[in-house]
Amino acid sequence: DIVMTQTPLSLSVTPGQPASISCKSSQSLLHSDGKTYLYWYLQKPGQSPQLLIYEVSSRFSGVPDRFSGSGSGTDFTLKISRVEAEDVGVYYCMQGIHFPWTFGQGTKVEIK
Amino acid sequence: QVQLQESGPGLVKPSETLSLTCTVSGGSISSFYWSWIRQPPGKGLEWIGYMYYNGNTNYNPSLKSRVTISIDTSKNQFSLNLSSVTAADTAVYYCARGKYAVYWGQGTLVTVSS
Repeated sequence: DIVMTQTPLSLSVTPGQPASISCKSSQSLLHSDGKTYLYWYLQKPGQSPQLLIYEVSSRFSGVPDRFSGSGSGTDFTLKISRVEAEDVGVYYCMQGIHFPWTFGQGTKVEIK
Repeated sequence: QVQLQESGPGLVKPSETLSLTCTVSGGSISSFYWSWIRQPPGKGLEWIGYMYYNGNTNYNPSLKSRVTISIDTSKNQFSLNLSSVTAADTAVYYCARGKYAVYWGQGTLVTVSS
């Protein structure tokens, strides 16, 4: 299985400040179809996960533009330009190129 | 807006079969992929498997010998069966729409205990 490694595992951010989460995969997530199958999810406290970003950098419907994804191959980053109180929760990256899809360990984001 | 709701027993005895149903509303089940994912208490996420509405399935190899996902288009539902459960199968079980879980249900906790 592909191993997904996230850093840091926890993050405390002042509202209005930026935040960044790294995700590294043990194999390239670039498919022969040209797409890179890397996803980001946010699990808010007491809720089910919700899709934020698909295929590295495309924001899902309704996701604020303060969220952005970047990267290629095996190295990826999720950035929040200005963290808001509603952004608290655990962020997971996930690879969707080799089944079983696998998730990172999660990064817990809290507000200072 | 599509909505998904898991249902089934919250307690299952060891060695028995865990059976859950996901009811889909706000759209037809007769398209898209449909997935099951689980999360042990306090831990991360594990993909169980997915099914296309035509019946094609893909199961996590670590669970493949024990998992069956099926679909009932007449009821707009799909189901998960996990046999020979142990305490390690205790988790919140989520159903989701899509091969990559675009929309999720709220999840249901299943505890395996005698």
